[in-house]
Amino acid sequence: DTGVSQDPRHKITKRGQNVTFRCDPISEHNRLYWYRQTLGQGPEFLTYFQNEAQLEKSRLLSDRFSAERPKGSFSTLEIQRTEQGDSAMYLCASRSGGRGTEAFFGQGTRLTVV
Amino acid sequence: TQLLEQSPQFLSIQEGENLTVYCNSSSVFSSLQWYRQEPGEGPVLLVTVVTGGEVKKLKRLTFQFGDARKDSSLHITAAQTGDTGLYLCAGGETSGSRLTFGEGTQLTVNP
Repeated sequence: DTGVSQDPRHKITKRGQNVTFRCDPISEHNRLYWYRQTLGQGPEFLTYFQNEAQLEKSRLLSDRFSAERPKGSFSTLEIQRTEQGDSAMYLCASRSGGRGTEAFFGQGTRLTVV
Repeated sequence: TQLLEQSPQFLSIQEGENLTVYCNSSSVFSSLQWYRQEPGEGPVLLVTVVTGGEVKKLKRLTFQFGDARKDSSLHITAAQTGDTGLYLCAGGETSGSRLTFGEGTQLTVNP
C-alpha cells in the first residue's frame, strides 16, 4: 500500500497528558499537511511542510501543538497538556508540488481527551 | 483567509433522485478538489478541476469549475444509497500551499 499512513488510528488520553501522532506520506510527495476535523465539519488547516521546512502554521495551532518533519519524510504532531477541546480527528495529507496537484489523505487519528 | 461556502449543509433524498451541491467563494483558487468522506475515515479524492469552466464527469457525478475559478458544483444523477457521505470541496491557493475546505454537505440517500 503506497497511500498516506497515520498511526495510531485511535487514541484516548486523560486531560493533561501529552500525545504524539505519526504520518507517513506518499513517498514521492514533498508537501505534507496536518488538518483537524470535528464532527460534521470540514477539515481545518493546522500546518504545512515542504520537505523538512515548516512553511505555514495556522493561528489554530496553539503553543501546545508542535509538528516536525525531520529529513522531509514522515511527520509527527505532538499535543502537550491535552484539553478536552483537543478531541477531534487529526488528518494528514500529502501532495507533490505544482498547481492542481492532488492531495491524498490518510485515514486519520481520532483523539478523545477524557 | 480564503473561505469556501458549501450549500446545502444537509441533504436527504430518495434513491433515484438527482441533486446538486454548490461550493462558492469570493476568492480565486488555482484548483478545486472534491472529496467524499465516510464516518471515521479520511476524505477520499473524487476529482480535481483546474481550468475555469472545466467540466469533468465520473460515472453519475458531474463536476464543474466556474469560469472565474471562484465556485464549483457537484451534480449526482440517479443517486444511490452508496452515495451517502460527507462531500467536501477544497480550494488550492495560487501559491500551491494549503488547501482550504468548505464545511461539507452531508448527503443521505434513502432506499
